[in-house]
Amino acid sequence: TQLLEQSPQFLSIQEGENLTVYCNSSSVFSSLQWYRQEPGEGPVLLVTVVTGGEVKKLKRLTFQFGDARKDSSLHITAAQPGDTGLYLCAATVSGTYKYIFGTGTRLKVLA
Amino acid sequence: DTGVSQDPRHKITKRGQNVTFRCDPISEHNRLYWYRQTLGQGPEFLTYFQNEAQLEKSRLLSDRFSAERPKGSFSTLEIQRTEQGDSAMYLCASSLAQKPYTIYFGEGSWLTVV
Repeated sequence: TQLLEQSPQFLSIQEGENLTVYCNSSSVFSSLQWYRQEPGEGPVLLVTVVTGGEVKKLKRLTFQFGDARKDSSLHITAAQPGDTGLYLCAATVSGTYKYIFGTGTRLKVLA
Repeated sequence: DTGVSQDPRHKITKRGQNVTFRCDPISEHNRLYWYRQTLGQGPEFLTYFQNEAQLEKSRLLSDRFSAERPKGSFSTLEIQRTEQGDSAMYLCASSLAQKPYTIYFGEGSWLTVV
């Protein structure tokens, strides 16, 4: 059972467009992380969100943690080709030591 | 600032051979994780250590796989009698044992079994 569902799975957009990626679960998490991964490399941490309703900004990226801490979104403004990659949300399963990943969103930004 | 380092980065081996990967976590991190990732998929949890104790293992970790962290610092992941299905990237990660438990990944070790 996949506890973290991401949508969309694939996204191909033109440079300059905006986009939003969603990470949803029926479970409550104490924190949630977003990573970006490029081919052949390990995931690189973008942000950690902890408080329900929290919004964090990282340049053109805006991350939001749902009020109930069950879901999160990543919004990219004016996407650039350098934003291309696999975006992953991740969180610790309550009551375990497992740190699980979402299904991933593969983004391609065309110049 | 030294991140998580993994060695080797790439390994090609013949089916049936044994391979070992090493992971050096961030120095003050006492939690260490191993993941496996295949093309197009997100990382799948394999096992977890807190200090030298292996506290959780996934059912993905068959009896051909063994992981150790003998002194609570570096860790090794050994795969015995490799099969073609073992071809994947093996990722190591580490974290502090305190909230928000954010984990940091190494660059991964690519395994190709031919």
